[in-house]
Amino acid sequence: EAQVTQNPRYLITVTGKKLTVTCSQNMNHEYMSWYRQDPGLGLRQIYYSMNVEVTDKGDVPEGYKVSRKEKRNFPLILESPSPNQTSLYFCASSPTGHSSGANVLTFGAGSRLTVL
Amino acid sequence: LAKTTQPISMDSYEGQEVNITCSHNNIATNDYITWYQQFPSQGPRFIIQGYKTKVTNEVASLFIPADRKSSTLSLPRVSLSDTAVYYCLVGDNDTGRRALTFGSGTRLQVQP
Repeated sequence: EAQVTQNPRYLITVTGKKLTVTCSQNMNHEYMSWYRQDPGLGLRQIYYSMNVEVTDKGDVPEGYKVSRKEKRNFPLILESPSPNQTSLYFCASSPTGHSSGANVLTFGAGSRLTVL
Repeated sequence: LAKTTQPISMDSYEGQEVNITCSHNNIATNDYITWYQQFPSQGPRFIIQGYKTKVTNEVASLFIPADRKSSTLSLPRVSLSDTAVYYCLVGDNDTGRRALTFGSGTRLQVQP
């Protein structure tokens, strides 16, 4: 089954404790991206990647890092989490970062993160 | 920076047609318009995509005027299961970047 898999689905952590949210897709998609969703603010893009070793900032990149060493994986790293990073996070992928393909995203089920 | 504006919420009744309009004044020439549906605690799901005029699939229609500064998602004969948040999405083609900007979404409530 074609899908985007995120782990963990739920996580409670404390301020300053580094964590990584993994994202993997099995569709050979070039474009991958991370979003956070907060009440009243919709979906905001954190980082995106056009292909292996090509990443760029989205609208809200502060406090996050990403890497794209393999085509299928796009982990989100919080080096020193803070309470304002408590949110629902989604990873998504699309066949290509160009033209129409970029906008046809397949989303993961989400990762709910709480930072105390 | 491409930006979209949608109504915050809409109410409807079962069996009615619902039209949700999205404004995207700064859409780039080669950008497509894509709509998503999201249920609580789930990731958004692709509904429909278009570039200009009208596109129709098995669940919705998408109307895009010639100037492409807005688009309208049309849901025919909604049911209770169409209660969800609907997002429109355009690309952000500023200086070749492929950042994507979602609007705040429209919360559709369908009543019996």
